[in-house]
Amino acid sequence: AQTVTQSQPEMSVQEAETVTLSCTYDTSESDYYLFWYKQPPSRQMILVIRQEAYKQQNATENRFSVNFQKAAKSFSLKISDSQLGDAAMYFCAYRPMRGSNYKLTFGKGTLLTVNP
Amino acid sequence: NAGVTQTPKFRILKIGQSMTLQCTQDMNHNYMYWYRQDPGMGLKLIYYSVGAGITDKGEVPNGYNVSRSTTEDFPLRLELAAPSQTSVYFCASSYGDRARSGANVLTFGAGSRLTVL
Repeated sequence: AQTVTQSQPEMSVQEAETVTLSCTYDTSESDYYLFWYKQPPSRQMILVIRQEAYKQQNATENRFSVNFQKAAKSFSLKISDSQLGDAAMYFCAYRPMRGSNYKLTFGKGTLLTVNP
Repeated sequence: NAGVTQTPKFRILKIGQSMTLQCTQDMNHNYMYWYRQDPGMGLKLIYYSVGAGITDKGEVPNGYNVSRSTTEDFPLRLELAAPSQTSVYFCASSYGDRARSGANVLTFGAGSRLTVL
């Protein structure tokens, strides 16, 4: 069974600084997708960024980028120029590419605080 | 576009009562899911559906039932509510066709907070 581990229950960063959230996963699959979701206090789950495992290039979305290390099964999220609105719970998630169910497996989350 | 709509947003139940959480999506997604989120535990899959008339169990299905009579609707029923079912419930949907752009991205509803006393 696939598992996703986020080893940092909480992180904090100063506004305008950079922070990196860690995620590791366990799978026997070779093709899969990885995601970072953000959950602000409103509870809404918002997709931040996604990475296809077959792509060597790390995904980027504006101030958000990932460091995808397939051999190490590591998928960290870097937030640059942190803003107060980045404060939220961040979830790493895994989804196999093959199979008919497209189930998403989540980590337990990292609570990010942004200090002014 | 409404996206994924869940009702109710909040509900308090007494032990042993039953209720249905409603979920509707207007994106013509064929895949739909129900997750529960407990504090410090991330999201766990309760049930999912790959199309109308087809449902299957996820990680934590006990105490719940689902049905999928239409593409749009995927209600979650709680029978004989127990305190262990106190949680926040999320409905989500996605395309199941890999050829579609965004096929692997789930769109979530706003969540339903359920308390069982």
